Amino acid sequence: LAKTTQPISMDSYEGQEVNITCSHNNIATNDYITWYQQFPSQGPRFIIQGYKTKVTNEVASLFIPADRKSSTLSLPRVSLSDTAVYYCLVGNGPGSARQLTFGSGTQLTVLP
Amino acid sequence: SQTIHQWPATLVQPVGSPLSLECTVEGTSNPNLYWYRQAAGRGLQLLFYSVGIGQISSEVPQNLSASRPQDRQFILSSKKLLLSDSGFYLCAWRPRLGSTYEQYFGPGTRLTVT
Repeated sequence: LAKTTQPISMDSYEGQEVNITCSHNNIATNDYITWYQQFPSQGPRFIIQGYKTKVTNEVASLFIPADRKSSTLSLPRVSLSDTAVYYCLVGNGPGSARQLTFGSGTQLTVLP
Repeated sequence: SQTIHQWPATLVQPVGSPLSLECTVEGTSNPNLYWYRQAAGRGLQLLFYSVGIGQISSEVPQNLSASRPQDRQFILSSKKLLLSDSGFYLCAWRPRLGSTYEQYFGPGTRLTVT
C-alpha cells in the first residue's frame, strides 16, 4: 500500500481557507485518494475521495495534480467546529475489501 | 437508513481477563466489516476485516481474535488481555459492492486494561 505523509498539525483562524497537503509518492495506478475527519472519541467520518484532477462536494475540495504524487484537501472558510484530525489515505480501488491504513493524520486547530 | 452499534461504550478490565466486544449493523446486507484500534493520540490500526460470515482476515498478529457469526454481527475477543490492549476500539462497515471507500464507523468502545 502507498505510504502517505502529511503535516502533524496546522493552525488556522475562523473564516480562512485551509489547505492540507498529503504526499504519496508511490501511489499505484489503481489507487484512490480518500480523506477522513475525526473528532475526539468518535470514529472517522468520510469527507471526500478522488482519483485525479479536482473533486468538490458540499464540505471540501480535493485537488490532485497530474502525477498524483500528492493531494490537497481544501476546507473553505473553516469554523471552530472544523477542529479535528484529518487523515489522508491511499490504496486499492473501491472494489478491494481490505481497508486502507490510517496514518497519524493532521491535527487542525481553528482559532477564534 | 443504516446504523452501526457497538457495546459496551467503556470497559475497564484487569490484565489477564477475557474480552468480548460486539458490533452490529442494521439496514444493510452483506457488508464488509472492520475492527480498528486507536491508541491515545495515534492513528487507527486495522485489526481485522471480514467479507462474509465466518470469513476473517487478520492484519496484525496478536492476542486478539475476531468472529462473524452472523451477516451483520462482528465480535472482537481476547482470552487474556495485556496492558497494551488498552485503546479505543472502532467497528466499521462498508458496502461490499460500494463504489467508494466510504466507511461508516460505530461509536467505539474505550477499553482500559489495568
